[in-house]
Amino acid sequence: SSELTQPPSVSVSPGQTARITCSGDALPKQYAYWYQQKPGQAPVMIIYEDIKRPSGIPERFTASSSGTTITLTISGVQAEDEADYYCQSADRSGISVIFGGGTKLTVL
Amino acid sequence: QVQLVESGGGLVKPGNSLKLSCATSGFTFTDYYMSWIRQAPGKGLEWLAYISGAGVTIYYADSVKGRFTISRNSGKNSVYLQMNGLTAEDTAVYYCARTARRDGYSAASFDHWGQGVLVTVSS
Repeated sequence: SSELTQPPSVSVSPGQTARITCSGDALPKQYAYWYQQKPGQAPVMIIYEDIKRPSGIPERFTASSSGTTITLTISGVQAEDEADYYCQSADRSGISVIFGGGTKLTVL
Repeated sequence: QVQLVESGGGLVKPGNSLKLSCATSGFTFTDYYMSWIRQAPGKGLEWLAYISGAGVTIYYADSVKGRFTISRNSGKNSVYLQMNGLTAEDTAVYYCARTARRDGYSAASFDHWGQGVLVTVSS
C-alpha cells in the first residue's frame, strides 16, 4: 500500500529556516497537501496542490516538489509555528487518502 | 464563513454503536465532498471515509470498511458517520472536513475542518 514518510521531528531556532520532507511513491502522480496542527486544535491546510498557499497563510510557508519527495519550507520561523505538520496525498488511483505520520516542529 | 460542527461523541462500550453528526454552514453543501478523519490520542491523522456532493460516490479506508457508514442529508446540510462494532482502537477525536476533489482520479484534500468530537470506547 502507498505510504508517506515524514521525519518525526525537526528543531530550529527562531528566525531560521525549517524544512520538512515527505516522501512517497505516488507523489509524482498525485498532488500533495500540507496541514498545520497546533495542540488541541483542528488541522489547518497551509499548502495545496503541491505548492499553492491558501489565502491567509503567511508567505513564509512555501513548498516544493521533486519526484517522490515534497518539502515544506518555513522561512524565518516564529515561535507560533511550533506545531505538528502533516503531508497528505492519495494512492496512485486517487481513491484512498494517505496522511504522513506527522512531523513535530520545535522552535528552540 | 464556512463552519463545521460535529456532535454525537462520548463514551461507548466495546461492541456498541455510535452515530456522529456534522452540521455545516457557509457554503453550498451539495457542491462539496465531505469526509471523516480521526486522530487517536497522541497519534497522527487517519482518513476514514468520504462522500460526494450528491452522495453517489463513497469510499472508505480499509480499517473501517464494513463497520462504518458515511451518509449525508442535503436538506439539513449535514454529514453523518454511523459506527458499529466499536473497539478500543476506535478511541479518537473524529473530525469532519469539507473536501475538495478535482475528479475521480485526483487526491481529495481538506480545506475546512470541524473542531472535532471525542469518542471513547471503554468498558
